[in-house]
Amino acid sequence: GAGVSQTPSNKVTEKGKYVELRCDPISGHTALYWYRQSLGQGPEFLIYFQGTGAADDSGLPNDRFFAVRPEGSVSTLKIQRTERGDSAVYLCASSRTGGKADTQYFGPGTRLTVL
Amino acid sequence: QQPVQSPQAVILREGEDAVINCSSSKALYSVHWYRQKHGEAPVFLMILLKGGEQKGHEKISASFNEKKQQSSLYLTASQLSYSGTYFCGALPGAGSYQLTFGKGTKLSVIP
Repeated sequence: GAGVSQTPSNKVTEKGKYVELRCDPISGHTALYWYRQSLGQGPEFLIYFQGTGAADDSGLPNDRFFAVRPEGSVSTLKIQRTERGDSAVYLCASSRTGGKADTQYFGPGTRLTVL
Repeated sequence: QQPVQSPQAVILREGEDAVINCSSSKALYSVHWYRQKHGEAPVFLMILLKGGEQKGHEKISASFNEKKQQSSLYLTASQLSYSGTYFCGALPGAGSYQLTFGKGTKLSVIP
């Protein structure tokens, strides 16, 4: 079946602009996660959705970052007033139930470059 | 606090074995192992749960020492396709559902 998909695959923007990154999870998966990965580092947790609600958003670095999942499927990560330090690969993952023994399946990521 | 992985990098010849270690300072519920090739998504390998249960690929083995909060991934008879960066993710025993990843171990398998 189809895996997790993310669009766009690459996004180049200028400092101060607004960007939206989209994640389409595996069909039927109730849990969705966003991570950020910088070069040479492991994925860093940003936010976890269970259904439509953000169950844990403690990883969002500041209030310029916001994410939604209005219908419990597709999610959008929104970054306002982008800064050069926001440049990274943004990964999305989904799991069937969100339980601690559940496997998280990752998408290919969106590479964000802020000039 | 992110788990500590060792070694940082290792080079193997085809057919050789390797062990990658992951250590946490927190009490863990589970350890998740992934392999990532350059420019690609992390691919799930295995989950180890406290209590000894494992879920994952048949050709990969791993252990989880609950007393020491340490996990090891065993790669035997390595193939060229094993090359990539291996990450362990630690899920705490209490409360949080945040998976915290280590910095990774870069494995290169050469002919």
